[in-house]
Amino acid sequence: NAGVTQTPKFRILKIGQSMTLQCTQDMNHNYMYWYRQDPGMGLKLIYYSVGAGITDKGEVPNGYNVSRSTTEDFPLRLELAAPSQTSVYFCASSYEGQHYGYTFGSGTRLTVV
Amino acid sequence: KQEVTQIPAALSVPEGENLVLNCSFTDSAIYNLQWFRQDPGKGLTSLLLIQSSQREQTSGRLNASLDKSSGRSTLYIAASQPGDSATYLCALGSGNTGKLIFGQGTTLQVKP
Repeated sequence: NAGVTQTPKFRILKIGQSMTLQCTQDMNHNYMYWYRQDPGMGLKLIYYSVGAGITDKGEVPNGYNVSRSTTEDFPLRLELAAPSQTSVYFCASSYEGQHYGYTFGSGTRLTVV
Repeated sequence: KQEVTQIPAALSVPEGENLVLNCSFTDSAIYNLQWFRQDPGKGLTSLLLIQSSQREQTSGRLNASLDKSSGRSTLYIAASQPGDSATYLCALGSGNTGKLIFGQGTTLQVKP
């Protein structure tokens, strides 16, 4: 049972480039989330989804986009990367939003130069 | 707006000591509260989940309490071990969508 898998683990982008962070889970969780963690800080919610075809903004959505075409996958798109998007990105999923079984991926460390 | 604060930011203790990590929040209208552990370069692992109607949860050497009226939660670690060294984050669930609001974390070092 793989849980939540994120790819890539590390990435360096130049300012203005775009990329997609991949996230997939095999626990049949309906709820999925993207968080970012800046050094010495807690996590902040970027986007979340309560099921296939349904997404909504979190606390810090600017500069990002998401899609949820299947239950398993929840990719995060960065358009026109900026240095302020340098961070560690975590994908997570949970059972029915009740927080039971809240499972995180191992993260993607992104640097924008 | 809900704010979550964890003090201290860092803590160093000798092995075997009992310790308490603190988490405070500004709005008592919470759905639940969860404590996570984060190891360097790794993702987060859920330790304990306390529902709004509960006062505490226990798992092994860990005990988490919740006092909504005072806006506080504590994570008690008994007989600390070097393997407990990690960053501990508390997070509040504000509704049934599963969204979490995190504190900044407390980095714990347990010295042998």
